[in-house]
Parts: sequence; structure tokens; C-alpha cells
Amino acid sequence: DAKTTQPPSMDCAEGRAANLPCNHSTISGNEYVYWYRQIHSQGPQYIIHGLKNNETNEMASLIITEDRKSSTLILPHATLRDTAVYYCIASLTNAGGTSYGKLTFGQGTILTVHP
Amino acid sequence: ETGVTQTPRHLVMGMTNKKSLKCEQHLGHNAMYWYKQSAKKPLELMFVYNFKEQTENNSVPSRFSPECPNSSHLFLHLHTLQPEDSALYLCASSQDQAEGRTQYFGPGTRLLVL
Repeated sequence: DAKTTQPPSMDCAEGRAANLPCNHSTISGNEYVYWYRQIHSQGPQYIIHGLKNNETNEMASLIITEDRKSSTLILPHATLRDTAVYYCIASLTNAGGTSYGKLTFGQGTILTVHP
Repeated sequence: ETGVTQTPRHLVMGMTNKKSLKCEQHLGHNAMYWYKQSAKKPLELMFVYNFKEQTENNSVPSRFSPECPNSSHLFLHLHTLQPEDSALYLCASSQDQAEGRTQYFGPGTRLLVL
């Protein structure tokens, strides 16, 4: 799996958009970008994933650059409950072969949403 | 609620004790995982079970012994642990290992070894 690089911490004001960057310059063509978050004292929670196209769900939007070397997770209207560690993970697809289903977590970005 | 439950939520044990952690998933999944999260360290994958068969042991010491009697239940048996084994132990499940990038995690068991 490609290595990902995230800033160690970020702040965001409540109600504003939180934009969390992730660098994955060595990502290969068959690796998805996955985002999870971990609220204090809880297990990680799946947020969103994408391969090439931008993706949106009820939790967030994922913007992937055209060269796929970086991506940004967007929480459009951050709330205090979005304070968590956010993990960006590059993981092999299972298209055309066997995926071993591994998630390799790094240190992530500590997002603090303040009033 | 993620559909994955873990018991106990907190556990304190001595180095000579034997205890077990339990994980149960109500999602109809076929793959289950144990992770360890030590203070200020990333999550570390310990074991993977797919359709009740162990498919991954990430060089975990033998004082940790997993058991998966069926696809819904996963245990981690602990014996003669060391203080450095104190950590948050997380269980997760996925549809199967091939779909293992989308995992649902339990709340974890916080273990303190004295």
C-alpha cells in the first residue's frame, strides 16, 4: 500500500467547512483512497472512499486530484462532534485479483472543531 | 452503534491472570479482525479471520490467542501478559476479507496490565 502523509493537527470553527489534506504521491492505479475517523475512546468509523472521481456521501466529500497524488476530505459544516482523528489510507482494490483487505493506519490528523 | 459489540469495555489484570476479550457482530459479516492501539501509536493489525479461518497473524506473541467459533463471534484469550500490553484492543468486521477495506469497528476494550 502507498504511504500517505497528513498534517498532525488542524483547527476548524464550528459551522465552517473542514478541509483535511492527504498526500499519497506513490499511489498506484489500483489503490483506493479511504478515510476513517476515530472519535476519542471509540473505534474508527468509515467515512468515504474513492479511486479517481470525486465522491460525496451524507458524511463528507472526497476530492482527488487528477494525478491522484493527493486528496482532500471535506466536512462541509463541521460540528463539535466532528472533533476526531482522521485517517487517510491507500488500499489495494480487489479488482482483477485478491485483496487482502488490509487497512494500514498512520498517525492521522487530529481535527479540533471549536465553537 | 456500529453493530459490533465488545466486552468488557475495561479490564485490569495482573501479569499472571488469564482473561478473554469478546467481540460479537450483528451485521452478517464473514471477516473479523483484532487490532491493538497503544498510546500515541497507530492501530496495529493483530489477527484476521475470514469465514472462521485465521488468515493473518501479524507476528503476535503467543500470549495472545484468538478464537473464532463462528462468523459472528471472535475472542482474544490473554495469559501472562506484560505491562506493555496495556492498550485499547479493537475488534472489527467486514463483509469478507476481500471487502476488508470497509470495516466496522467495535468500541474497544481498554486493557491495563499491572
